[in-house]
Amino acid sequence: KQEVTQIPAALSVPEGENLVLNCSFTDSAIYNLQWFRQDPGKGLTSLLLIQSSQREQTSGRLNASLDKSSGRSTLYIAASQPGDSATYLCAATGEYGNKLVFGAGTILRVKS
Amino acid sequence: NAGVTQTPKFQVLKTGQSMTLQCAQDMNHNSMYWYRQDPGMGLRLIYYSASEGTTDKGEVPNGYNVSRLNKREFSLRLESAAPSQTSVYFCASSEEEPDTQYFGPGTRLTVL
Repeated sequence: KQEVTQIPAALSVPEGENLVLNCSFTDSAIYNLQWFRQDPGKGLTSLLLIQSSQREQTSGRLNASLDKSSGRSTLYIAASQPGDSATYLCAATGEYGNKLVFGAGTILRVKS
Repeated sequence: NAGVTQTPKFQVLKTGQSMTLQCAQDMNHNSMYWYRQDPGMGLRLIYYSASEGTTDKGEVPNGYNVSRLNKREFSLRLESAAPSQTSVYFCASSEEEPDTQYFGPGTRLTVL
């Protein structure tokens, strides 16, 4: 059964710092892995999708990597800003066909 | 484009009452999903519809039923609400599974 874990559960950093959020998954036979952002009281917004054949994806200040052999993905945020404060969730495809299995998320606070 | 819309935004039910959560998407997506999100946990898949006319169970289907009314609409029904169903419910859609998923704003349900 696919299980997805995110560490740390919460992170507080000063503005301008580069940071890394971690995601681990137990079943390496994934189709893809997705990173989402969730603002308080809102739905999820897709940030990046990495196919199983890819090693990384980039969008602006965000870079996500995928290492299937170790069951890990990281989300790198460069030059963090207060507007980056949100919960970040990763999700990997699991045993229900190619449906997503979500981690519990990392709550990020960027202090100005 | 409105994207994915959900109604209602908030709902309070008494134990044993029934209700239907509505979801609609205007992106001509084939696949639609229902998730629940509980504090400290990631999203868990309740039901999904890979294409119009098909539905299937996810990780936590007990106590729920779904209807894929047409390509745009996917509803979730609670036949006899229980306090354990207090949660935030999200609907999502994707062009195909397991492409990038787009989420609605959520319905916050409390069962007393």
